[in-house]
Amino acid sequence: DAGVIQSPRHEVTEMGQEVTLRCKPISGHDYLFWYRQTMMRGLELLIYFNNNVPIDDSGMPEDRFSAKMPNASFSTLKIQPSEPRDSAVYFCASTRLKRGLAVEGQETQYFGPGTRLLVL
Amino acid sequence: SQKIEQNSEALNIQEGKTATLTCNYTNYSPAYLQWYRQDPGRGPVFLLLIRENEKEKRKERLKVTFDTTLKQSLFHITASQPADSATYLCALMDTGRRALTFGSGTRLQVQP
Repeated sequence: DAGVIQSPRHEVTEMGQEVTLRCKPISGHDYLFWYRQTMMRGLELLIYFNNNVPIDDSGMPEDRFSAKMPNASFSTLKIQPSEPRDSAVYFCASTRLKRGLAVEGQETQYFGPGTRLLVL
Repeated sequence: SQKIEQNSEALNIQEGKTATLTCNYTNYSPAYLQWYRQDPGRGPVFLLLIRENEKEKRKERLKVTFDTTLKQSLFHITASQPADSATYLCALMDTGRRALTFGSGTRLQVQP
């Protein structure tokens, strides 16, 4: 398996521009997570999906951020308009959870390589 | 408010020694606690999971303890090697939520 795939790996844009980050989760995984990592705030959960449905978006900083998961193999995180304070590394992660007691490995998250975003 | 604290931002040890990293939490009822490793420019990679009813878990040179009374987990790397140098993150999965919350991480440097 190729693991979680994210694109682009690096993005440099100017303030006010729209930014779209993409993620392909591991095949068969039914949960997808978007995180943001900065030196100041660490790794923060933005939103997560279960079976393509957004479950918890309480971490999305403001209305400029939106996320979609049109199918089980693709998700986007969009920032419009972007601001310099959005500069961070954005990670996508996926996992597969089963009912009942979890066995080690089933609750773990598999992270992509991240997208390093710089907003000038 | 909920908080996860990893008490050392950075830890420097000599090769061969045991590294001990600490994770403390407040106002959580974790179903699980996990430890991840993150290398520069990469995403976190899962290492170990320990459940609320487990006291200790081992995997090769790694050992994790979980004390729900103290609200603390300790992560040990025995016989440390320079290749163990990385940032180590603890993460909680709260019983009320199907999502992980991460600590800020401890950067471990193992000197040869």
